[in-house]
Amino acid sequence: NAGVTQTPKFRVLKTGQSMTLLCAQDMNHEYMYWYRQDPGMGLRLIHYSVGEGTTAKGEVPDGYNVSRLKKQNFLLGLESAAPSQTSVYFCASSYPGLAGERRSYNEQFFGPGTRLTVL
Amino acid sequence: DAKTTQPPSMDCAEGRAANLPCNHSTISGNEYVYWYRQIHSQGPQYIIHGLKNNETNEMASLIITEDRKSSTLILPHATLRDTAVYYCIVRVGWDDYKLSFGAGTTVTVRA
Repeated sequence: NAGVTQTPKFRVLKTGQSMTLLCAQDMNHEYMYWYRQDPGMGLRLIHYSVGEGTTAKGEVPDGYNVSRLKKQNFLLGLESAAPSQTSVYFCASSYPGLAGERRSYNEQFFGPGTRLTVL
Repeated sequence: DAKTTQPPSMDCAEGRAANLPCNHSTISGNEYVYWYRQIHSQGPQYIIHGLKNNETNEMASLIITEDRKSSTLILPHATLRDTAVYYCIVRVGWDDYKLSFGAGTTVTVRA
């Protein structure tokens, strides 16, 4: 059981280049999330998905696109990278629980992160 | 979501209990208190959560005041591996997808 994995672990881009970050989870979770973390700060939500084929904007969505074509994968795309997108990107997934379960349960499981530098 | 206030840093001796405070004076009746931690360069890790009753699991205990305006995370026997940034987060239950991370408390466990 690998949990949440992210590819790649490190990447350096030039301004204007594009790339896709891949997140995969093997826990059959419905919900998946992309966060970014800048130095000395907490995580900020970029986009999230509550199921296959659905995505929604988070707190800082500008400059990013996402896709959830398969339940286990959540892709984050940068169409034209900018230096302001230099950050560590974390993916997470969670299980929303079933009706009748303790409804507060929504523990998020995080991947190891991708360090992206845009020059 | 209610805003939380945590001390920026604290030290703890190895083997002793670490008590991490969190103020959330504007918490609503349907908001839960969650704690996560982030060990250097790793993704955050869930620790515990609660609504109004005290909670305990294999990692920690969560004490919530009766008026719910503050809480304390207790690591009963801190080890060097507990050195991390600890985040106190309040959010509505399972319908709220967002985790709003503040700056957290940097806990350093010393031998």
